[in-house]
Amino acid sequence: RKEVEQDPGPFNVPEGATVAFNCTYSNSASQSFFWYRQDCRKEPKLLMSVYSSGNEDGRFTAQLNRASQYISLLIRDSKLSDSATYLCVVNSNDYKLSFGAGTTVTVRA
Amino acid sequence: DAGVTQSPTHLIKTRGQQVTLRCSPKSGHDTVSWYQQALGQGPQFIFQYYEEEERQRGNFPDRFSGHQFPNYSSELNVNALLLGDSALYLCASSLGGQGNSPLHFGNGTRLTVT
Repeated sequence: RKEVEQDPGPFNVPEGATVAFNCTYSNSASQSFFWYRQDCRKEPKLLMSVYSSGNEDGRFTAQLNRASQYISLLIRDSKLSDSATYLCVVNSNDYKLSFGAGTTVTVRA
Repeated sequence: DAGVTQSPTHLIKTRGQQVTLRCSPKSGHDTVSWYQQALGQGPQFIFQYYEEEERQRGNFPDRFSGHQFPNYSSELNVNALLLGDSALYLCASSLGGQGNSPLHFGNGTRLTVT
C-alpha cells in the first residue's frame, strides 16, 4: 500500500464553484500533514498545514480525520488561478515527508 | 531573503554518465532533502542531509549519493545514469529537518537521460 494516496482527478469546475477532495495515508502514527500546490513544470509550494481541529486560510479549508486516516482540502469560490495540482504530504517518520501523486484541479471560466 | 536555489536548471546526459546537481538552502535553514519527480507523479524522497550526514534515505539505489557542506549547501550525485533517471530533481530545505517542518523547494533541475 502506498504511504499517501490521492484521487488524481482531474476535477473540472466552473469559476465560483466549490471543489473538495481527499487524501488517505497509511501510517497511523503520522503527526504532520500539509497541502502543497504545484503548477505545471514548477516546484511545489506550501499551501497550508493541516491541524487536528481543522483550519481555514481564506477560501481554503483543510480537515484531518485520524480515525479514517484521511485529510481533505476544500476550495470555495474557485478562481481561474486555483487551477493546479494539489499534493498531499504526510510525515512517514520523524524526518521523512511523503507526497501523494497529486489531484489536478482545473477551473474554467 | 534568498530562497532555495538549484543548479543547473536543465541537463542532458547520456546513459552510463554521471551527474552532479547542486542546491543552496533557504537562508537560515540547515536541512536539505532531495526528491525525484517523474512526469505525472508526486515527488519521491531520495534522502535527507542534516549536520553533513545522510540522516534518512528513501528507496533509491546506491547510484544515488549526496553530500552536505558546512555552509548547509548540498550536492546530489547520480552514477551510471539510466533512461529511467530522467526526471525533475527537487531540493527542499527546512529547519531541523523534523517531520513537522514544512519544506521549501527550489525550482528543480530537469534531467534528461538519452
